[in-house]
Parts: sequence; C-alpha cells; structure tokens
Amino acid sequence: DAKTTQPNSMESNEEEPVHLPCNHSTISGTDYIHWYRQLPSQGPEYVIHGLTSNVNNRMASLAIAEDRKSSTLILHRATLRDAAVYYCILSTGNQFYFGTGTSLTVIP
Amino acid sequence: ETGVTQSPTHLIKTRGQQVTLRCSSQSGHNTVSWYQQALGQGPQFIFQYYREEENGRGNFPPRFSGLQFPNYSSELNVNALELDDSALYLCASSLVGFNEQFFGPGTRLTVL
Repeated sequence: DAKTTQPNSMESNEEEPVHLPCNHSTISGTDYIHWYRQLPSQGPEYVIHGLTSNVNNRMASLAIAEDRKSSTLILHRATLRDAAVYYCILSTGNQFYFGTGTSLTVIP
Repeated sequence: ETGVTQSPTHLIKTRGQQVTLRCSSQSGHNTVSWYQQALGQGPQFIFQYYREEENGRGNFPPRFSGLQFPNYSSELNVNALELDDSALYLCASSLVGFNEQFFGPGTRLTVL
C-alpha cells in the first residue's frame, strides 16, 4: 500500500538546482511529509519535513502543493556528495511509510 | 553527542532460530523506531517505542517484537526466522515521534 510515488531515477549536473518530485494523492489532513536520503551502505539521513507550508533548512527546501497531493524537494546547488537515494515519506498517526525512492545521480 | 549505534553489524542465522538486535539511541531521544530494508527496496516500518511502550506498528507479524529500556535503548526480537527475514534492520531515534529521526548504520541479518 504505497503512499507516495517518485520517479525511479534522476540526473543533475553539479552545481545546478535539483527538483525531486513526489506524489501523495491519498494524503490526509494530519499527515506530515518527510524527506530522507540514503547513501550506499549507510542508514537514511533526515533532510526536511513539513505539514502545509513550504519549509527551508540548510540542506534543502520543501515545496508543498496547495492541495497537499504533491511536494517537491529542492536542492539548490547539487554537489557530488548529494548523490543518493531520496525517499519521500508520509507519517500518518503512528505509521511511517517510505516510498521506493529516487536515485539521484550528480554529473560532474 | 553520541549517535545511534546498533549491534551486531552482521549476523547469520538459520531458519527457525531466534535473533535479538540491539540499538542505543542518541542522547536525549526517548523515541525509537525499527525498520526492515530488503535489498534494493525502501525501509519498511516495523514498530516504534516511546517511553518503553509500543507506540505504533507496521504490517509485521507478532513474531517481530521489541523492548525499550529505561535508558531508551531498544531491542528487536524476531522468532522463528524465515528466509525472507534476511534484510538490513535499521534503528532510528528521535525527540518527538517521527520528526527528525537519526538512523543507525543497521544490522545486516542473513537467514540461511
């Protein structure tokens, strides 16, 4: 019962912005949207999360559609260290649903 | 500040055996969640513990059980191991629920 849908893979040139999309059409009013990334052989790393409003932190920005059925993770300047699998996740009550993730390749 | 640690790093068991995996949460974090990640897939939520009580459970059978101790460290126990239980088991701690979870490096379990 996948809660989020993401493209399997994306590519970006180094030092360019990256927009990673996520669809979550079944989101309910109290569900939070989370993004984590995972490098090979490591545990996932928190990136950002939000509920309704757009969010910014030192790593990225999260843009949430007005109807909340989709969101976009924005990396402002991709670096080689940003190459990872990016997961869009919904938390609903006491459940946490990872999607299948987007594998981001950063081209030097 | 000590991060999330897990032990052991690798483990090999045979079908039908039982296994216990351990997790030490980040200092000050009272919430621990466990995840199973099969090869090539995203993590799947097993359960969460908050102040020693189970606070949510994913779609896993009862042979997956857990404990959280007063110091907020945690154990994941799996009984009657099956071949499909082979996976990376991840532990994550947080201050509040699922927000800003810090993940450990995981325990790689192989069931033969």
